[in-house]
Amino acid sequence: KAGVTQTPRYLIKTRGQQVTLSCSPISGHRSVSWYQQTPGQGLQFLFEYFSETQRNKGNFPGRFSGRQFSNSRSEMNVSTLELGDSALYLCASSFAGAPYEQYFGPGTRLTVT
Amino acid sequence: EDQVTQSPEALRLQEGESSSLNCSYTVSGLRGLFWYRQDPGKGPEFLFTLYSAGEEKEKERLKATLTKKESFLHITAPKPEDSATYLCAVQALLTQGGSEKLVFGKGTKLTVNP
Repeated sequence: KAGVTQTPRYLIKTRGQQVTLSCSPISGHRSVSWYQQTPGQGLQFLFEYFSETQRNKGNFPGRFSGRQFSNSRSEMNVSTLELGDSALYLCASSFAGAPYEQYFGPGTRLTVT
Repeated sequence: EDQVTQSPEALRLQEGESSSLNCSYTVSGLRGLFWYRQDPGKGPEFLFTLYSAGEEKEKERLKATLTKKESFLHITAPKPEDSATYLCAVQALLTQGGSEKLVFGKGTKLTVNP
């Protein structure tokens, strides 16, 4: 069974730009969660989508948004990038819904200059 | 405020030297506690889920236990391939709207020397 895939793996953007990250969950998984990981703050929950609906949301500004498609693939968008948005963005999929036994992708390393 | 604290931040062991990692938490409405392993450049890998005080789970050289205030990850006779960052996360129920959130600790970086 293929694991969770994320694209792109690395990304460099400048302040003020926007970015879209993509996540393909494990086949059959309907839940996709997004996390931001930084050395200072650790892993922080962004949001979870289940069957195309946002089910849970963390404490991030509205610049961070996401969506899920009918095939469970998910995208995360960050608008008006700030230097502090530089981080590893991780996607995790789950059959039963977060946070039960989530499988993480390798992440997208975003650098904002 | 819901918090998850892991200690120590870093731990160096000799191969075969058993030890424990600690995860203490202060959350209301605990629904579950999770342990993950993360290797450099990779996403976290699921290890265990614990739901109630007194529960224990084992996998190879790892054993996770849970009390009302903390969880321990015991590593018995570790090998160099056990070197990784171990993350603890708690699932807490938000009273507002009935939604849930996952709060992660910052991890313990374990290094096992041959």
